[in-house]
Amino acid sequence: DAKTTQPPSMDCAEGRAANLPCNHSTISGNEYVYWYRQIHSQGPQYIIHGLKNNETNEMASLIITEDRKSSTLILPHATLRDTAVYYCIVRVPGTASKLTFGTGTRLQVTL
Amino acid sequence: EAEVAQSPRYKITEKSQAVAFWCDPISGHATLYWYRQILGQGPELLVQFQDESVVDDSQLPKDRFSAERLKGVDSTLKIQPAELGDSAMYLCASSPAIRAKAEQFFGPGTRLTVL
Repeated sequence: DAKTTQPPSMDCAEGRAANLPCNHSTISGNEYVYWYRQIHSQGPQYIIHGLKNNETNEMASLIITEDRKSSTLILPHATLRDTAVYYCIVRVPGTASKLTFGTGTRLQVTL
Repeated sequence: EAEVAQSPRYKITEKSQAVAFWCDPISGHATLYWYRQILGQGPELLVQFQDESVVDDSQLPKDRFSAERLKGVDSTLKIQPAELGDSAMYLCASSPAIRAKAEQFFGPGTRLTVL
């Protein structure tokens, strides 16, 4: 699985959009970009994943650059409950494919 | 909404003692994972089961750790003897086998403290 690089921490004001970047310059053609988050003292939670097209669900939007070497997770209207560590993971999908977590980005949403 | 269950939530033990953690995955999920998360780091896979068979245990310290999923449903992770460096959060996750892009669903974890 390709390695990812994320900033260690970010701040965001409540109600504003949180844009979390991720670099994955060595991504292979069949690898997807997955995002998970981990709220303090809880297990990680799946957010979204994508291959090359932008994706949106009820939680977030995922923007992947055309060369697929980087992506951005967008929380459109961040709330205090979105304070968490966000992990960007690149993997080949399938149940035999493990998740390789880095250290993630600690997002702090403030009033 | 179905959830992955883990117990206990917290465990304090002394080094050289044996500890065991239990996980009940979401009903119907064939794949089960055990991860270890050291404070300040991301989770690291210890072992992966497909039904009752081990698919990947390359990162499991087999001299002291063991895992089983006898009937392909719930699972137990054991450490014997526990060492100070085993203090961590132990997370269980499950995933359905049929969907190729299925995400993993995590339980709340067991926080182990070894004194």
